[in-house]
Amino acid sequence: DIVMTQSPDSLAVSLGERATINCKPSQSVLYSSDNKNYLAWYQQKPGQPPKLLISWASTRESGVPDRFSGSGSGTDFTLTISSLQAEDVAAYYCHQHYSTPFTFGGGTKVEIK
Amino acid sequence: EVQLVESGGGLVQPGGSLTLSCAASGFTFSSYAMSWVRQAPGKGLEWVSSIYAGDENTLYAVSVKGRFTLSRDNSKNTLYLQMNSLRVEDTALYYCAKVVSNSCYAPHDYWGQGTLVTVSS
Repeated sequence: DIVMTQSPDSLAVSLGERATINCKPSQSVLYSSDNKNYLAWYQQKPGQPPKLLISWASTRESGVPDRFSGSGSGTDFTLTISSLQAEDVAAYYCHQHYSTPFTFGGGTKVEIK
Repeated sequence: EVQLVESGGGLVQPGGSLTLSCAASGFTFSSYAMSWVRQAPGKGLEWVSSIYAGDENTLYAVSVKGRFTLSRDNSKNTLYLQMNSLRVEDTALYYCAKVVSNSCYAPHDYWGQGTLVTVSS
């Protein structure tokens, strides 16, 4: 199984400041045949289902503010919120869909400092 | 507008059975893989099972393989999860999720609100 190690568990950031979340799969999720990283990032606000923010490690979904960005490859990935807004308070999860069992990181709770 | 509406959750005793349904609308259901993902109270996300768009091949987490059966009825735009031999540790909010492609090996772009399954005596 691919273990998704996500850090930190929680993060308090001032409004307008940068938030950085890391995700390290225990093995590469880069598929050589299509050169895509099979990694996604989701945002989950309290009482709501997850929302897809970033697919294939760095592709921002339609309607997602450009302050959200994803980067990395292989076994090292980052989700960055460039300027934290109040509505960004949520839990964030990385997810590998490279091999079964598909797995999620443990989640990072982002709060306002 | 894509909509996924889960139903069928409830309280069941250990060893019991439940069937969850997910009614899909707003997209061509038969063209997309679908999944169930669960979340225990206060915990993170756990993938349960996925089914391909066309040939109905299924994938399962080890924790549910042999107990849960995933199926789809493309004529009714509905996804089903038959759950047998339920255990206390199956207690969770079960989300139905649409995959972005016909393959299960892709992210989930739409999620339902979830249906709660509680396994307790």
